[in-house]
Amino acid sequence: EAQVTQNPRYLITVTGKKLTVTCSQNMNHEYMSWYRQDPGLGLRQIYYSMNVEVTDKGDVPEGYKVSRKEKRNFPLILESPSPNQTSLYFCASSPASTGGQPQHFGDGTRLSIL
Amino acid sequence: LAKTTQPISMDSYEGQEVNITCSHNNIATNDYITWYQQFPSQGPRFIIQGYKTKVTNEVASLFIPADRKSSTLSLPRVSLSDTAVYYCLVGDTGFQKLVFGTGTRLLVSP
Repeated sequence: EAQVTQNPRYLITVTGKKLTVTCSQNMNHEYMSWYRQDPGLGLRQIYYSMNVEVTDKGDVPEGYKVSRKEKRNFPLILESPSPNQTSLYFCASSPASTGGQPQHFGDGTRLSIL
Repeated sequence: LAKTTQPISMDSYEGQEVNITCSHNNIATNDYITWYQQFPSQGPRFIIQGYKTKVTNEVASLFIPADRKSSTLSLPRVSLSDTAVYYCLVGDTGFQKLVFGTGTRLLVSP
């Protein structure tokens, strides 16, 4: 089954404790992206990757890091989490081609930073 | 990305047809129109995509007039499980930032 898998689905942690949210897709998609969703603000892009070893900042990259060492994986790293990073996070992927290829989203990771 | 405008909310009853219209006056020549559905605490789910005229799949239909400045998502015979937020987006490729507006919150009642 074609899917984008995020782990963990839920995490409660404390300020400053490094954490990683994993994202994996099995569709051989070149493009992957991370969004956060907050009430009243909609989905905002954090980072994206056009292919292996190619990443770039989205609209709200501060406090986050990403890496793309393999095509299928795109982990989101919070080196020193703070309470303002409490949010619902989504990973998405799509083929890097024209013609309106839709993005596929994971089920989300709810992070609570205390 | 072209800006889109949708109604904030809509109410319907089970078994009715629901039509949600989206305005996108600044749509570009290469832009496609894509609709997503999102349930609470779940990721947006692709519903349908089109470029012009009409597209139909097992879930919905998408009507796009000739000028492409608007589009209408049609959900036939909705059920309670169709209660969700529906987002309309326009863009020309899959590998680009998706700008989700506030979407349309559809509430289906018995």
